[in-house]
Amino acid sequence: EIVLTQSPGTLSLSPGEGATLSCRASQDITYYLLWYQQKPGQAPRLLIYDTSNRATGIPARFSGSGSGTDFTLTISSLEPEDFAVYYCQQRFSWPRTFGQGTKVEIK
Amino acid sequence: EVQLVESGGGLVQPGGSLRLSCATSGFTFSSNGLNWVRQAPGKGLEWVSYISGSSLTILYADSVKGRFTISRDDAQNSVYLQMNSLRDEDTALYYCVRDFCGTTSCRFDYWGQGTLVTVSS
Repeated sequence: EIVLTQSPGTLSLSPGEGATLSCRASQDITYYLLWYQQKPGQAPRLLIYDTSNRATGIPARFSGSGSGTDFTLTISSLEPEDFAVYYCQQRFSWPRTFGQGTKVEIK
Repeated sequence: EVQLVESGGGLVQPGGSLRLSCATSGFTFSSNGLNWVRQAPGKGLEWVSYISGSSLTILYADSVKGRFTISRDDAQNSVYLQMNSLRDEDTALYYCVRDFCGTTSCRFDYWGQGTLVTVSS
């Protein structure tokens, strides 16, 4: 089973600041890495698939990069609605696994 | 509009059974794989099970293998999760998730709102 480790656990930032979230895989997953956003009381929402492809309707301030074992989700300038928990997920192999999440909170 | 609506959750005693349902609409059901993903209270996401569009491929997390059974009814555009021998650690919000595969990629692109399963005596 591939283990995904996200860092940091919590990111405290102000609106307008940039955010950088990391996800490290326990083995090479090439580019098969996805990112989801989850707000309290809501289901997760797909943001990015296959490292860098934005899902339908996702704003351009969200971008993804990386390959192999190290991946990054970048939010260029935080909007109030971006404060949430972010999960990475790999689709390289079954079982599909998720990182433990990074909470982006208002400073 | 793609929709997935889960039902069937509730309170059940350890060792008991429950059957979850997921009714879908807005897409060609038979062409898509479906997953169940769960989230324990205050915790992260855990993939539980997958069934392909053809039902030829069925997969389970080790934590539920031998206890849970996934199935689908293409005529009803629905997917099910039969959960037996339930344990306290199965307590979670269970999401039904579409596994969309395009020409070069697959992704969990649509999620239901979840149905809560509570296992407790």
